[in-house]
Amino acid sequence: EVQLVESGGGLVQPGGSLRLSCAASGFTFSTYTMTWVRQAPGKGLEWVSAITGGGRTYYADSVKGRFTVSRDSSKNTLYLQMSSLRAEDTAVYYCAREYGSGWYIVDHWGQGTLVTVSS
Amino acid sequence: QVVLTQSPSASASLGASVKLTCTLSSGHSNYAIAWHQQQPEKGPRYLMKLNSDGSHSKGDGIPDRFSGSSSGAERYLTISSLQSEDEADYYCQTWSTDIRVFGGGTKLTVL
Repeated sequence: EVQLVESGGGLVQPGGSLRLSCAASGFTFSTYTMTWVRQAPGKGLEWVSAITGGGRTYYADSVKGRFTVSRDSSKNTLYLQMSSLRAEDTAVYYCAREYGSGWYIVDHWGQGTLVTVSS
Repeated sequence: QVVLTQSPSASASLGASVKLTCTLSSGHSNYAIAWHQQQPEKGPRYLMKLNSDGSHSKGDGIPDRFSGSSSGAERYLTISSLQSEDEADYYCQTWSTDIRVFGGGTKLTVL
């Protein structure tokens, strides 16, 4: 069974930094593209970033230059390093696996971790 | 840049059927999509991937009541025999060069 468990969320001041982690199990982590999606309170889903099994990275314009996605296949863990955080980054952040085989869609979701940016 | 448009809300009666629509922006009518469900206070759940020709493949454990279809730039999610637990937000998703895109979501109310 595919499992994705996020951690690392919390309260951070504007301008601060935070690192999210996502522990993956139940599949061959190194072969899948992984993605981060966020959801601001009362809003819809917003794609944030993705990283291929080979380490190629992609970012939404809203976070480019501030967020860095990475992965450690020896630990089956995905990371999102967030810096220069703003109030508008407040959201539940979901770790997700992409389907693969040329389909860049999410096929498994984590339960999410809440990030609150506030003074 | 591909854009996905969804109606903000829909409603249907318990036991009835409902068809939700996701519309691809001009020039992107051949794009495939995915449908996701988000029940209140829960994380999203993958429902299915849907091709432009209407062929679709559902995720593990998704009931037969959920099906997908396509027509031109429109992608549909049909839910039959509506149950109370189908009351949720439904999002479509696709991708373009180097990005992924979500629609704004449709809030489905089961009356």
